[in-house]
Amino acid sequence: EAQVTQNPRYLITVTGKKLTVTCSQNMNHEYMSWYRQDPGLGLRQIYYSMNVEVTDKGDVPEGYKVSRKEKRNFPLILESPSPNQTSLYFCASSPRDTSTDTQYFGPGTRLTVL
Amino acid sequence: AQKVTQAQTEISVVEKEDVTLDCVYETRDTTYYLFWYKQPPSGELVFLIRRNSFDEQNEISGRYSWNFQKSTSSFNFTITASQVVDSAVYFCALIFFNTGFQKLVFGTGTRLLVSP
Repeated sequence: EAQVTQNPRYLITVTGKKLTVTCSQNMNHEYMSWYRQDPGLGLRQIYYSMNVEVTDKGDVPEGYKVSRKEKRNFPLILESPSPNQTSLYFCASSPRDTSTDTQYFGPGTRLTVL
Repeated sequence: AQKVTQAQTEISVVEKEDVTLDCVYETRDTTYYLFWYKQPPSGELVFLIRRNSFDEQNEISGRYSWNFQKSTSSFNFTITASQVVDSAVYFCALIFFNTGFQKLVFGTGTRLLVSP
């Protein structure tokens, strides 16, 4: 089944404790992206990747890192999480750029930073 | 600035009523794409439709229909004969070309509550 998977789905952590949220897609998509969803703000892009080893900042990159060493994986790294990073996170992928291709979203990761 | 506005924060209807969700966008680009996504209570994001800026034909898919009007920069979504399963948050989104490649911008979403 074609899908985007994220792990963990739920995470409660404490301020300053490094964490990684994994994202993997099995569709051989080139484009991948991370969003965060906050009440009243919709979804905002954190980082995106056009292909392996090609990443760039979205609208709200502060406090996050990403890497794209393999085409299928695009982990989101929070080196020192803070409470304002409590949010619902979505990973997405699409075949190439999203001008003509639809982005497919993972199931989401609900992160709470205490 | 590239922006998507969904002015309706929450809409409540009774089953079988028709309901329209509004989406107004701003972009300087002549080439862009518009999307609607559904987020049911389970939380996942489900793609509903994509429309490019050169195609103003309205689209109907079952009980869903979309009205794209470039003159008013709107891409409204109508659900006919709503059902309880339509209860969800609906997001409108815009893709524009920024420095050669795409960027997806979401509206803040409209929560639709359909009661029996």
